[in-house]
Amino acid sequence: QVHLVESGGGVVQPGRSLRLSCAVSGFTFSNHAMHWVRQAPGKGLEWVAVISYDGSNKYYAESVKGRFIISRDNSMNTLHLQMNSLRDEDAAVYYCARGGWSIATPGDYWGQGTLVTVSS
Amino acid sequence: EIAMTQSPATLSVSPGERATVSCRASQSVSMNLAWYQQKPGQAPRLLIYGASTRATGIPARFSGSGSGTEFTLTISSLQSEDFAVYYCQKYDNWPPFTFGPGTKVDIK
Repeated sequence: QVHLVESGGGVVQPGRSLRLSCAVSGFTFSNHAMHWVRQAPGKGLEWVAVISYDGSNKYYAESVKGRFIISRDNSMNTLHLQMNSLRDEDAAVYYCARGGWSIATPGDYWGQGTLVTVSS
Repeated sequence: EIAMTQSPATLSVSPGERATVSCRASQSVSMNLAWYQQKPGQAPRLLIYGASTRATGIPARFSGSGSGTEFTLTISSLQSEDFAVYYCQKYDNWPPFTFGPGTKVDIK
């Protein structure tokens, strides 16, 4: 069965960096685009970034553009989100979600999320 | 940039009743619209994609309709496990892949 497991969350000071990972199993990772979506405490869902199946195309929300980098290692079935220059407003649960072959597809399977707390 | 809105913000429904949630896009998104269910402490779950196609394993009491700028999620007969927050998301004219603000369906 399809599994996605996020890791790497924690407490970080404003301005510092953090790298999230999403390990997947149960499907052919290299055939799917992948998304990161976040949810601040008590708030709604916010799409963060998407990467194509082969890593050649990446797109970001304006709120994170220039600070976050999405990447993937298809040999290791792992998705990453490098988060730099973190701000208070980046505090959230971060979810990875599986897309389709095309980038223009919704997330059909999601991980349970990893919590990022930004605090001095 | 296309904005997504949902109404109502909260919907109070009795078990067994019908629930209808609306989602509106500020510009046409064709049928590139998905619906998700999220329960407290859980990840979102895809219910509907392509505006009206149920995702794998989703019960038939969930249905989606609409195209362009107006969409509806209908739950025909609410079960106890359906009380949750529902989000729409557009995946047309991206990025971004914008979510609506959510509709909480709670027990009347």
